Amino acid sequence: ETGVTQTPRHLVMGMTNKKSLKCEQHLGHNAMYWYKQSAKKPLELMFVYNFKEQTENNSVPSRFSPECPNSSHLFLHLHTLQPEDSALYLCASSQHQGQETQYFGPGTRLLVL
Amino acid sequence: KQEVTQIPAALSVPEGENLVLNCSFTDSAIYNLQWFRQDPGKGLTSLLLIQSSQREQTSGRLNASLDKSSGRSTLYIAASQPGDSATYLCAVRRILTGGGNKLTFGTGTQLKVEL
Repeated sequence: ETGVTQTPRHLVMGMTNKKSLKCEQHLGHNAMYWYKQSAKKPLELMFVYNFKEQTENNSVPSRFSPECPNSSHLFLHLHTLQPEDSALYLCASSQHQGQETQYFGPGTRLLVL
Repeated sequence: KQEVTQIPAALSVPEGENLVLNCSFTDSAIYNLQWFRQDPGKGLTSLLLIQSSQREQTSGRLNASLDKSSGRSTLYIAASQPGDSATYLCAVRRILTGGGNKLTFGTGTQLKVEL
């Protein structure tokens, strides 16, 4: 048990749908991250939040909209996605946005039809 | 731009064999290097973290080495077991100008240890 949970674990959505991914960490950490893992590609960092403030956005399309209401919760709101957005979306947390080890959740497997 | 390569992409070995996984990176100005294990449906688990000033780290049957100047790291697994079957990811962290840091991942080595 890593202390980072993600829901749902699997999601199938159409290109016109709106859905949200949820991440919750029970570790008392202050930094949270969204990563995308596509088949045959390295993990790509999408967003970083530190003390609820977004500190990094790695040129992610606006159809992905993150939200961090508090240090324990992180959301990724999805709308008008494309089939190429199908991937495993991983959430992670660390004590601070620094050099500490990041703890990962199990991921949400997303399929966009 | 930092690029991280892992070789081989997939590996199948019989139980009990010692094995080496390789990771190379193009920019040697790293802060640390980390090895992760990824199991299907269970996300990533950190195995070993090596600071740039260190040469190796050990945990149980795992030993990771780092040669920063040549841009290489190896993960050595001794006496492999079926439970070691997973995808192993290498990631390097560098400090960004102006603060912050970035973790760059390789594509992983998919390991299968057979009975």
